[in-house]
Amino acid sequence: KQEVTQIPAALSVPEGENLVLNCSFTDSAIYNLQWFRQDPGKGLTSLLLIQSSQREQTSGRLNASLDKSSGRSTLYIAASQPGDSATYLCAVWGGYNKLIFGAGTRLAVHP
Amino acid sequence: AAGVIQSPRHLIKEKRETATLKCYPIPRHDTVYWYQQGPGQDPQFLISFYEKMQSDKGSIPDRFSAQQFSDYHSELNMSSLELGDSALYFCASSRPGETSGGAWNEQFFGPGTRLTVL
Repeated sequence: KQEVTQIPAALSVPEGENLVLNCSFTDSAIYNLQWFRQDPGKGLTSLLLIQSSQREQTSGRLNASLDKSSGRSTLYIAASQPGDSATYLCAVWGGYNKLIFGAGTRLAVHP
Repeated sequence: AAGVIQSPRHLIKEKRETATLKCYPIPRHDTVYWYQQGPGQDPQFLISFYEKMQSDKGSIPDRFSAQQFSDYHSELNMSSLELGDSALYFCASSRPGETSGGAWNEQFFGPGTRLTVL
């Protein structure tokens, strides 16, 4: 059974820091991995999707890497801003038409 | 660009009542997924449909049912509502095999329906 774990559960940093959010999964037989952002009480915004054949994806200040063999993905956020404050969720798709989510990392960036 | 549409956005019901949530996928997307997110929890998969047929089922209570119609929109029907059903219900859509900026089977989420059961 696939399990997704995110570390840390919460993070509070000053503005401008470079951040690393970690995601691990127990079953390496995945097709892709998605990183989402969720603001309190709001919907899920897809940030990056990495296919199993890829090692990383970049969008603006965000960079996500994937090491399928070790069951790990990392989301890097460069030069963090207060507007980055949100919960970041990673989810894996194992081919059964459903995403399995981690519990998320709650990020607070203070000025 | 068109996004996934969910209605209603907010719904308040009493215990034992019924509720119907609607989802309109992105045009040309043929797969719809339903997820439930309880307070402080991560989204949990409920059920999915591909080309109007159920394709996978997760932790969906027997009191809930869903279907996908000929125009690909989907409805989640919830009966005998319980307090524990209070949650944010997300619908997502995708088009398996089609790339979106190089992404395969990327799921796009709607804004969610917040259901409160009193």
